[in-house]
Amino acid sequence: DTGVSQNPRHKITKRGQNVTFRCDPISEHNRLYWYRQTLGQGPEFLTYFQNEAQLEKSRLLSDRFSAERPKGSFSTLEIQRTEQGDSAMYLCASSLFSGGTEAFFGQGTRLTVV
Amino acid sequence: QKEVEQDPGPLSVPEGAIVSLNCTYSNSAFQYFMWYRQYSRKGPELLMYTYSSGNKEDGRFTAQVDKSSKYISLFIRDSQPSDSATYLCAMSKNTGNQFYFGTGTSLTVIP
Repeated sequence: DTGVSQNPRHKITKRGQNVTFRCDPISEHNRLYWYRQTLGQGPEFLTYFQNEAQLEKSRLLSDRFSAERPKGSFSTLEIQRTEQGDSAMYLCASSLFSGGTEAFFGQGTRLTVV
Repeated sequence: QKEVEQDPGPLSVPEGAIVSLNCTYSNSAFQYFMWYRQYSRKGPELLMYTYSSGNKEDGRFTAQVDKSSKYISLFIRDSQPSDSATYLCAMSKNTGNQFYFGTGTSLTVIP
């Protein structure tokens, strides 16, 4: 499978715990995006990387959230001291920044904070 | 006011019908327009991608962009039960920058 891969698919955690999600983009894609989606809403932008550089962060990305993309390959999104309001689907997408802007999404990580 | 508005539906049509899905937007800087299909508890799947105004056809799907009216549409011909999903419009200002999504329209195609 050469699509965007996200792990884990589901995560249940207790409030106050830290969680980390992983995204493996399509191999030749140099841009990687994180979005968050809650029930009945469209995805909301969190942040994106071009190669290893984090180029933009949303105001939604509070200081409890941190994202990295070491070596410009896979990326991780960490949420510290989780809150119930963090419960959502976390989506990763990748694109090839070379003329087109088609972005392809992974299957997402569904986070439930109890 | 949200930058991208989309009627959430739900929309229910009989099999074989032509479906019309629409989004409006407020920011004239948007240049790239996309339609995604999302099945329940899955990630969005890219259906159509267009740049600026005009039409684009791919099989049973046609995307239209009218930048003067800030209005985009997706038409599905000969709709099938497998088309039952949520359809999300998305748009961006520059190549590869963040995408702004509508809330999605839930579509059910009844056999």
